[in-house]
Amino acid sequence: NAGVTQTPKFQVLKTGQSMTLQCAQDMNHEYMSWYRQDPGMGLRLIHYSVGAGITDQGEVPNGYNVSRSTTEDFPLRLLSAAPSQTSVYFCASRGGRRSSYNEQFFGPGTRLTVL
Amino acid sequence: AQKVTQAQTEISVVEKEDVTLDCVYETRDTTYYLFWYKQPPSGELVFLIRRNSFDEQNEISGRYSWNFQKSTSSFNFTITASQVVDSAVYFCALSEGRTGNQFYFGTGTSLTVIP
Repeated sequence: NAGVTQTPKFQVLKTGQSMTLQCAQDMNHEYMSWYRQDPGMGLRLIHYSVGAGITDQGEVPNGYNVSRSTTEDFPLRLLSAAPSQTSVYFCASRGGRRSSYNEQFFGPGTRLTVL
Repeated sequence: AQKVTQAQTEISVVEKEDVTLDCVYETRDTTYYLFWYKQPPSGELVFLIRRNSFDEQNEISGRYSWNFQKSTSSFNFTITASQVVDSAVYFCALSEGRTGNQFYFGTGTSLTVIP
């Protein structure tokens, strides 16, 4: 199993550009999520999905879109990048019948800089 | 209001000293889950432990131990005989309710173990 994979590892954007951060997991997990990590702020939940076709907002959803067309993939879209979106982005997944009990597995992160 | 508070931003200890990382949480749910994650300098997030709200037993795993006290809403983490490899940022996290879809991280404690 590859676990949770994220691409790209690094990205530099100009203000106003759009891009998609890719996330995939091969553990057949139902729950997937996106976080951003900023200095002194810890990790904050952007969006999450409890299964294909179902997504919901987390703590800081503005400026980001998500979709979940398959169990494996959960891309995060920035439609018009802003410098405030400079951050490290982590994708995570968890599974199991009692999924709230299970720990999340995190991807390696994507470091995004918006100029 | 912060749902998970890690008041210690940075801690430095000399190798072989014991160190306790504090975590205080806030929730109105009777069912919730608490987690600790480690983020070494390489940046990945490593799961350490989970605890559910109905299990207040303390846990020991090698040099690591956790003290969960519902009366004070705390879930503290102690490293005994610290080693240089313990240098990392440690995050406490809370997952509320039976589904646990909203996941809250503390701001992290950066631990430096000096050889």
